[in-house]
Order: sequence, then structure tokens, then C-alpha cells
Amino acid sequence: QKEVEQDPGPLSVPEGAIVSLNCTYSNSAFQYFMWYRQYSRKGPELLMYTYSSGNKEDGRFTAQVDKSSKYISLFIRDSQPSDSATYLCAMSANQAGTALIFGKGTTLSVSS
Amino acid sequence: DGGITQSPKYLFRKEGQNVTLSCEQNLNHDAMYWYRQDPGQGLRLIYYSQIVNDFQKGDIAEGYSVSREKKESFPLTVTSAQKNPTAFYLCASNPSASGAYNEQFFGPGTRLTVL
Repeated sequence: QKEVEQDPGPLSVPEGAIVSLNCTYSNSAFQYFMWYRQYSRKGPELLMYTYSSGNKEDGRFTAQVDKSSKYISLFIRDSQPSDSATYLCAMSANQAGTALIFGKGTTLSVSS
Repeated sequence: DGGITQSPKYLFRKEGQNVTLSCEQNLNHDAMYWYRQDPGQGLRLIYYSQIVNDFQKGDIAEGYSVSREKKESFPLTVTSAQKNPTAFYLCASNPSASGAYNEQFFGPGTRLTVL
């Protein structure tokens, strides 16, 4: 079993839809959870950062962490064509300076 | 402008050649990383460095080498020993090598193609 599993998609939705992206993980020591957005041929940019369990909201984006189920989610409300990108989950057990473990990424396409 | 720069954006290498990818950051970040990304794959860690003059191997270090002589610079050399080097290479940095903050910032990437 891989440490981090992420459905690669592709996921296609119409503009305005609510999008749910998910990752599961096996290492119960993971405490830091991140979602990155990556446009084609660009470097990833950080969208959401969460420590331990709970929800975090930033505009149209909500990140949820359920450590008991080893499951994290990213919700995008009122999706826009500009949200079309690959979304990568990442996580780590340790504090700053150590490397992140990434999922393979989910490719999202939002059509207008 | 503060940020992470990578050069070149595109790089072509002949088989048997060594090439060096540049990564510079002016964010005063302590930790720096190199990842490799292949189509349909996540990011895989090649090397990382938490302080100057020190670095650790990641999951796929074979065929690669790095140096960290200055805080702002972390070049990656892809040697001829790397059998399948064609990929998208990403450099990242982290504000602190200690403490409870683990956000990584990425550069724009270098696409390496072996001819």
C-alpha cells in the first residue's frame, strides 16, 4: 500500500459545480496536510495548509482532515474555468525542514 | 521580487553528458529540496538540504548529486549514471529547518529532455 493514495481523475465538471478532491494515507504519524494547485508546465503553488484534524476555509476552498479515517479532502465551491489544474495533496509527520509525501495529483477540468 | 528561480526552463542533454540545474531563492529560507515529476506521477524527492553544507538523499537520489555552499543556492547535477533523466524537475524551499512550520514553496521548474 502506498503511503498516499489520490485518484488521478481526470475529473470534469461544469462551471459553478462543487468539486470534492480526496486523498487517503496509511501513516498515522502524519500531522501536516497541504493541498497544492499545479497548472500545466508550472510549479505547484500552495492552496491550503492544515495542522492535525479539522476544517479550514479560504474563500471558495475548504480543506478537511479526518485523522481517524486517514482521509483528507479539498472542496471547491462555485468552480471556475480558472480552477482547471492538477491538485496535489501532500503531508508529513515531522516538523519543518523534512520532506513532504505527495499524492499523484488529480486533474480537474472546469468547463464554461 | 522574492521567490525561487530555476534555470534553464528547458534543457536538452545528450546521452552520457552531465548537466546542472540551477535553483536560487532570495526568501532567506533554510531548507531546500529537489523533486522529480513524471507524467501521471506525484513528486518524488531526490535530495534535500536543511542547512548550508549539509544535505540528505531522498527516495531517488541515484544518478544525481547536489551541493549547498550558499544558503540561497541548491544546484542539482544530473549525471550520466541516471538512466532515465527525462522529467520535470522542481526545486522548493521551506522557511525554517526547525519549528512547527512545514510549508514548501516551489520554483517554476526545469524540463529536462535527453536526446
